[in-house]
Amino acid sequence: DVKVTQSSRYLVKRTGEKVFLECVQDMDHENMFWYRQDPGLGLRLIYFSYDVKMKEKGDIPEGYSVSREKKERFSLILESASTNQTSMYLCASSFSPLGNEQFFGPGTRLTVL
Amino acid sequence: GQQLNQSPQSMFIQEGEDVSMNCTSSSIFNTWLWYKQDPGEGPVLLIALYKAGELTSNGRLTAQFGITRKDSFLNISASIPSDVGIYFCAGLSWGRRALTFGSGTRLQVQP
Repeated sequence: DVKVTQSSRYLVKRTGEKVFLECVQDMDHENMFWYRQDPGLGLRLIYFSYDVKMKEKGDIPEGYSVSREKKERFSLILESASTNQTSMYLCASSFSPLGNEQFFGPGTRLTVL
Repeated sequence: GQQLNQSPQSMFIQEGEDVSMNCTSSSIFNTWLWYKQDPGEGPVLLIALYKAGELTSNGRLTAQFGITRKDSFLNISASIPSDVGIYFCAGLSWGRRALTFGSGTRLQVQP
């Protein structure tokens, strides 16, 4: 069974902290994605990666960075968390080089106080 | 950036009713996808459409890829309580290696 796992379901951090969100997939997919989900805004793409050590900015990369050292793992980093980064963060992976038919993890609900 | 306009934003229906939702864009897409998100979970792919005019079914769900490539719709027939959730459309356009998502349609079903 296809699986994308995220390190935490719920996370509470303070303003200014460095935050790491981890995502692991067991499907040998090349492409991995990070989205944030906010009410009324749908899913917005933060960063994606189509190969190990490769990354591309999505639509809202400001305030975030990513790391992909191994094929199965894609990390999202908030260098200095701010309250406007309170959101649901979703990781996804895709076998298609076009990035469609993505499989999602359960999400991490991050609250920044 | 590209935008997908998804409507309606929310629906409250009685069990057994049919449901229709759609997505439109000013841009052309070459793939349309429909996802469902259950409360507390990540979205799950329901239907993928790859060709203009294509009509595809998955059980009680039917989706169509609009002829102009700028829209898609999803129908759910004879709704049941487990249809509750948020439905997202997503599109993929040439030259972009990531999906664009609509804002979602929240569906509630009264038993």
